[in-house]
Amino acid sequence: DAGVIQSPRHEVTEMGQEVTLRCKPISGHNSLFWYRQTMMRGLELLIYFNNNVPIDDSGMPEDRFSAKMPNASFSTLKIQPSEPRDSAVYFCATWRSSSTDTQYFGPGTRLTVL
Amino acid sequence: RKEVEQDPGPFNVPEGATVAFNCTYSNSASQSFFWYRQDCRKEPKLLMSVYSSGNEDGRFTAQLNRASQYISLLIRDSKLSDSATYLCVVKALSGGSYIPTFGRGTSLIVHP
Repeated sequence: DAGVIQSPRHEVTEMGQEVTLRCKPISGHNSLFWYRQTMMRGLELLIYFNNNVPIDDSGMPEDRFSAKMPNASFSTLKIQPSEPRDSAVYFCATWRSSSTDTQYFGPGTRLTVL
Repeated sequence: RKEVEQDPGPFNVPEGATVAFNCTYSNSASQSFFWYRQDCRKEPKLLMSVYSSGNEDGRFTAQLNRASQYISLLIRDSKLSDSATYLCVVKALSGGSYIPTFGRGTSLIVHP
């Protein structure tokens, strides 16, 4: 299994630009999570999907952030417009949603907004 | 109060030392517990699950104390390669789904 796949691995953009991060979960995993990690705030849960349906997006910072999961094998996190304070590492993690299963993380997207 | 709290460290120890980390959680309905390891500029990876009776994996021992709501990780005979950040993870049922909550992590530096 290829594991959780994220793209791009690195993104450098200018303030005001739209940024789209992509995630392909492990086949058969029906829950998908988007996290943001910074030195100041640690690992923050932004949103999670269960069977492609968004369950809780209370962690999404503001309206500039949106996430979709059009099918079981693909999800996107979009920031429009981006701001310097959005600079962070964004991780996608997936699992089979049972109490004993653990999450598997993708390699992350390191985003820098200038 | 944060849901999952860890001492950020860093814990700076010599090779061969024994080091222990604790993690406290506030949700008494938490059902499963894990330790993850995160290397610099890498993603978190599962180190071990934590079972009620305690469990061991080589040099690593994890324990759970439900009454006091904390979990611990003990590393014996520390190696240079153990240097990393160790994240405590607690899963609880919320709105019909199991949700993991991560601690901020404890940084470990093992020096020669």
